[in-house]
Parts: sequence; structure tokens; C-alpha cells
Amino acid sequence: NAGVTQTPKFRVLKTGQSMTLLCAQDMNHEYMYWYRQDPGMGLRLIHYSVGEGTTAKGEVPDGYNVSRLKKQNFLLGLESAAPSQTSVYFCASGDEPANIQYFGAGTRLSVL
Amino acid sequence: RKEVEQDPGPFNVPEGATVAFNCTYSNSASQSFFWYRQDCRKEPKLLMSVYSSGNEDGRFTAQLNRASQYISLLIRDSKLSDSATYLCVVKENTGFQKLVFGTGTRLLVSP
Repeated sequence: NAGVTQTPKFRVLKTGQSMTLLCAQDMNHEYMYWYRQDPGMGLRLIHYSVGEGTTAKGEVPDGYNVSRLKKQNFLLGLESAAPSQTSVYFCASGDEPANIQYFGAGTRLSVL
Repeated sequence: RKEVEQDPGPFNVPEGATVAFNCTYSNSASQSFFWYRQDCRKEPKLLMSVYSSGNEDGRFTAQLNRASQYISLLIRDSKLSDSATYLCVVKENTGFQKLVFGTGTRLLVSP
């Protein structure tokens, strides 16, 4: 059982480049989330989705966009990467809002 | 004041020791509470939920004190494999129900 799969695992970008992080879950969960984790700070919610075709802003949405065209996939886009977006990004999914969440292995992104 | 506060540690303990972590939360309306474990450079994984009456899972015991707004995690008979960062997580209902993560307490268990 794969659970939550994130791709890529690592990426280095130059300032201004764009990229998309892919999250896929095979647990048929309605709720999906994108977080970022920075040293000395807890996981912070970027965007979330309560079902296929829906997205909403979390705590730190600026500079990111998301899409959930299929229930199992949740994409996080950076249109013009900035050094402040250097972070570890985690995707998570769950079958109830703000209940137990299952995380992907993370994407380590460096923006130079 | 941070919504969820934890002592970052590290807590250095020998194998077999008992260690306890506390976590405080600021929102008295918080509904549910969890402890997650995060190994170095890995994703967070649920360790246990925290129930009002306290609950135990093997060597791990979680307690909730709503009056004082803190949660605790007790680990008995520490193992080397318990070395990790323990995240205190609180469910809040602020329009959308969300999880608020603490920054974590690092535990190092030595032989």
C-alpha cells in the first residue's frame, strides 16, 4: 500500500523558475493538504482541498497555487520561485477534516 | 504567543530511562489532540491520539489537562529507536478545522 506519494523528492531551482510538486494518495481520502516545514517552525498549511475540484488557502498561500482535478492527486505549483520558498514540502491526506493525517515523504526544495 | 508550544530539547536520556514531554496550547476551544513522531529527514507519522481521560499504548502514555491547556507524553523504558522529534498537534476550529503543529521536542536515546 503506497499511501501518499510525493514527487520529486529533491529539486534545486533558480529564482524565477517555476515547478509543480505532485502528490498522489491511494486511500480514497477526501481531504488533502500541502504544508511547508522550516527550521524552528512547525508545519504550516499552504493550501488544502476538501474534495475533488475544490481548493482553499491555508496560512501561507502567497506564491503558491494548487489544483485538484482528480480525487487522488493534489498539485502544488510555484509560478516564480523565490529563495524564501526554500523549504521541505509535505503533502498529507485524511478522511476527516483536521483528524489523523497521513504524510508523504516530502520534497526538499532549494531556490538559489 | 505561539498556538502550540513545546520545549525543543534535545532531551538526552540513556536506554531504559523514563522521559516526559509537555506541550501547551493557547486556544481553549481546541478539540482534539495528537502526538506525531518525526524521524530525521522523514515525514511525520501519528504516534497516538490524546484522550481526555488519558491513554496508553505500550510504553507510551498521553495525558490531557484541559484546565491548564497542556498535553504530556511519557515514554517508559526508552529504546534507541525512540530517538526522534515528537510533535504536539492540536485540532482547531477556525472556520475550517485545521491541525496546528508544534515545532517538536527532540529526543536522543543513548546506549
